Amino acid sequence: NAGVMQNPRHLVRRRGQEARLRCSPMKGHSHVYWYRQLPEEGLKFMVYLQKENIIDESGMPKERFSAEFPKEGPSILRIQQVVRGDSAAYFCASSARGIVTGNTIYFGEGSWLTVV
Amino acid sequence: DQQVKQNSPSLSVQEGRISILNCDYTNSMFDYFLWYKKYPAEGPTFLISISSIKDKNEDGRFTVFLNKSAKHLSLHIVPSQPGDSAVYFCAARVEYSGAGSYQLTFGKGTKLSVIP
Repeated sequence: NAGVMQNPRHLVRRRGQEARLRCSPMKGHSHVYWYRQLPEEGLKFMVYLQKENIIDESGMPKERFSAEFPKEGPSILRIQQVVRGDSAAYFCASSARGIVTGNTIYFGEGSWLTVV
Repeated sequence: DQQVKQNSPSLSVQEGRISILNCDYTNSMFDYFLWYKKYPAEGPTFLISISSIKDKNEDGRFTVFLNKSAKHLSLHIVPSQPGDSAVYFCAARVEYSGAGSYQLTFGKGTKLSVIP
């Protein structure tokens, strides 16, 4: 009974490279959310996706960041031309419906991106 | 603009005593509040929640109190155990409609240390 799976857990990229973070939601969940946690900060909403659709990307930086959730396969958060300020923990969460209560949304263990 | 504030970055408590973690919010549209527990290098796990129509919710050693007029909530852990040592995040959700139904706003967290 796998939970939300994220990989890689740790990723090191040089400035200017691309970072791809993957998230497989819990079985039966078709709603995926990405949150970012900068050092010493709380988690901040980035984007909400359903299969093949971006529902809300209001928390995504306007440039260099993109997300997708294809019909087959995991959700991907893509960061192009990474900068040091992108260094953070990126958490994926999933739910069966697009309504969040405490016990309906589950977070993955996170992907830690370090930009050197 | 920090809509959910946890003003104590850290808290130390003796084992067996009560831990009280506080959270203030500014957005009067928040109607549902959650507490998450997070260990290092792991994702947040749901602890307890409360709807704005209630002022108290209890689950075992964990009780959350909500003072809507003061826009304040607190998490009480009694008795505190060494395994409770973690970072605790307060989160809030806007009214059950549109973006409010799926987007969580987090505080910066309070690191609880329970001393044996």
